[in-house]
Formats: sequence, structure tokens, C-alpha cells
Amino acid sequence: GAGVSQSPRYKVAKRGQDVALRCDPISGHVSLFWYQQALGQGPEFLTYFQNEAQLDKSGLPSDRFFAERPEGSVSTLKIQRTQQEDSAVYLCASSLGAGSNEKLFFGSGTQLSVL
Amino acid sequence: AQSVAQPEDQVNVAEGNPLTVKCTYSVSGNPYLFWYVQYPNRGLQFLLKYITGDNLVKGSYGFEAEFNKSQTSFHLKKPSALVSDSALYFCAVRPPGDKIIFGKGTRLHILP
Repeated sequence: GAGVSQSPRYKVAKRGQDVALRCDPISGHVSLFWYQQALGQGPEFLTYFQNEAQLDKSGLPSDRFFAERPEGSVSTLKIQRTQQEDSAVYLCASSLGAGSNEKLFFGSGTQLSVL
Repeated sequence: AQSVAQPEDQVNVAEGNPLTVKCTYSVSGNPYLFWYVQYPNRGLQFLLKYITGDNLVKGSYGFEAEFNKSQTSFHLKKPSALVSDSALYFCAVRPPGDKIIFGKGTRLHILP
């Protein structure tokens, strides 16, 4: 596709429910990132994939958060037993290569509201 | 701890006037520096980056940024603001081999 696509655009979950957020990066992009953006804050790093390998998951806030990218393209961020503090916009970004100087291409995000 | 500071939550500028959005950082080593812009209901878009070389970097939509190593700053500038420049601007730094760190963002209002 032309850009990074995320779905769903909005998700409302009841506390305790499991959710899955999808990211379709730009075709051929090696690197994929997940960020969490709380209201009025900048994006906070969650996890990073290089192809199918999850190289950094240091930003995942708890073991309820899990991400995968099994074939090195589409990625899914799963949150188990959602809590109200999980409410945020979840952003996915990709870059062509693996260099630290690469620019990121962001999706529009998934806004998660946990009631 | 590594951090990025955008000291102004909001900046108001009259159309046609020059604008500056400030950014300072505290990271180890020589990081790569970025500016991204976020329009309503849109993802962040890359504006410009500093890797090495000339301290003045030119980017999209007429924006530029000045790297100052001694002050660890990377302020975003534009000589003449447009109403369409109104958006949320994020400064970001990335130490080589490490994760990217974003500032909290500065909301820019260009007044007609």
C-alpha cells in the first residue's frame, strides 16, 4: 500500500477484555515499531522488529502486552485483560532499513478506550 | 536518563511572521535528531533530520532546524508562517543503535 495502515481506527473494550491491534507497514520495510501515545504526550516506545525478529521489547509496560510479526510484514499488538490505564492511541511506524538515522513512516493509529 | 524537552506546550504566531519551536535534549553520544508533525486525525509525518554536517537542516514545507551542539538544542524554524502550518510538532532524538525518544510535543497556532 501507499502508507502504513492500522486497524481498527477506534476500539472500545470493557476492562478485562483482550484486544488485538493490526499494523500493515509499507511493503518492503524492514523495521517496524509500536508506540503508545497518551493524551497530551509524545509517543512512547513499546517494541521494535527487524523483519520477523523482535529485537527490543523493553517498552512493553507489562506481560499483558505482546507483539508479533511472524512473516516480517504485518504486525499485531495484543493486550490481554485490558485495564483503564491502557487507554491511549497506539501508533505503528515502519522504516525502509535498520539504520538509526532512518525516517519513520507512521500510521494514523488505533485509539483504544477501555471502559 | 535520556530525555527530550519541548519547553512550550503551545506557540502562537501571526501569519507571515517567523516561527520557532524549541527543542533541547539530554542523551549520551551523538544522536540523530528529527522533527515530525502531526495533523488532526493523521499519523506523524517526517519533516527533517540532522545526521551530520551543516548545522542548518532544511526540510519539508519550508521548515528548517538549527543544530547547536554546545546547547544540545535543535530548534525548528520557518521564516514566514502559514495558517496551514498549525499542527502538533514533535522533536525526537535517536542515539545510534538505540530507540528513538520523542518530546511531548508543541502545538503551533498560526493566527490569520
